[in-house]
Amino acid sequence: QSALTQPASVSGSPGQSITISCTGTSSDVGGYYYVTWYQHHPGKAPKLVIYDVSNRPSGISDRFSGSKSGNTASLTISGLQAEDEADYYCTSYTNTYTYVFGTGTKVTVL
Amino acid sequence: EERLVESGGGRVQPGGSLRLSCEGYGFIFSDYWIHWVRQAPGKGLVWVSRIRGDASGATYADSVKGRFTISRDNAKNTAYLQMNSLRVEDTAVYYCARLGVGDTGLDPWGLGTLVTVSS
Repeated sequence: QSALTQPASVSGSPGQSITISCTGTSSDVGGYYYVTWYQHHPGKAPKLVIYDVSNRPSGISDRFSGSKSGNTASLTISGLQAEDEADYYCTSYTNTYTYVFGTGTKVTVL
Repeated sequence: EERLVESGGGRVQPGGSLRLSCEGYGFIFSDYWIHWVRQAPGKGLVWVSRIRGDASGATYADSVKGRFTISRDNAKNTAYLQMNSLRVEDTAVYYCARLGVGDTGLDPWGLGTLVTVSS
C-alpha cells in the first residue's frame, strides 16, 4: 500500500490555473474510477472537493475539476483564489479493498 | 446538520491500548460506511480502516492490521477504533469520516482526536 505520488508543492498567482497530479498504479488509480480529492486547511477537517474522479459535491465551486488518464489522476483549480491555499490530497480505492492517500500537495497562492 | 464527533484520544505508552469513538449526528448512522484516517505530526493523511453500515465487513491498512479493530454500535450511532500494541509511529490526529457522496466521497469528517504514544 504505497502512497500515491503527488508533487510536494504547487504555486500560482491569483486568477491562474494550476494542476496537481496523483500517480498510482493499475492496482489503484488505474484500475478504478474511484479517485477523490480533499482540501485540508491545517487544524480543520478535510473537505471533499472531487469524488469519483471528476464529480463535484454540492457547494464546491466549478473552479475545481478532476480527471484521470491511465494511472494518473489530476485536480485542476482554475481562477486561483487566496482561499484555495491549502494542502490537497488524492485518494483511491485499491484492489485489496482498502484505500490509499496521496503524499499531499501544498498549494500556495502567490 | 450532519456531523461526526471523535473522542477518546490521549497519551499512552508504547505497547498500550486506546479506544477511539466516533459519534454521528443528524443522519441514519447505520446506512453508511465509516472510515478512520490519521495524520501524524507534520505528515500527510493516511487511510486506516473502514466498516460497513451493518458491520458485516471491515478492512484495514497493512500498518495497523492485527493491532487495530474497527467496530460499531448503531443503536448508539457510534463507531469505534480499538487500538492495541500501540507504537510511537501511531502518534497522530485520528479522524473519522462518513462515506457519503458517490462511491468514494468521504463527507462529513470529524475534527479529529489526538493520540500520542510516548514513554
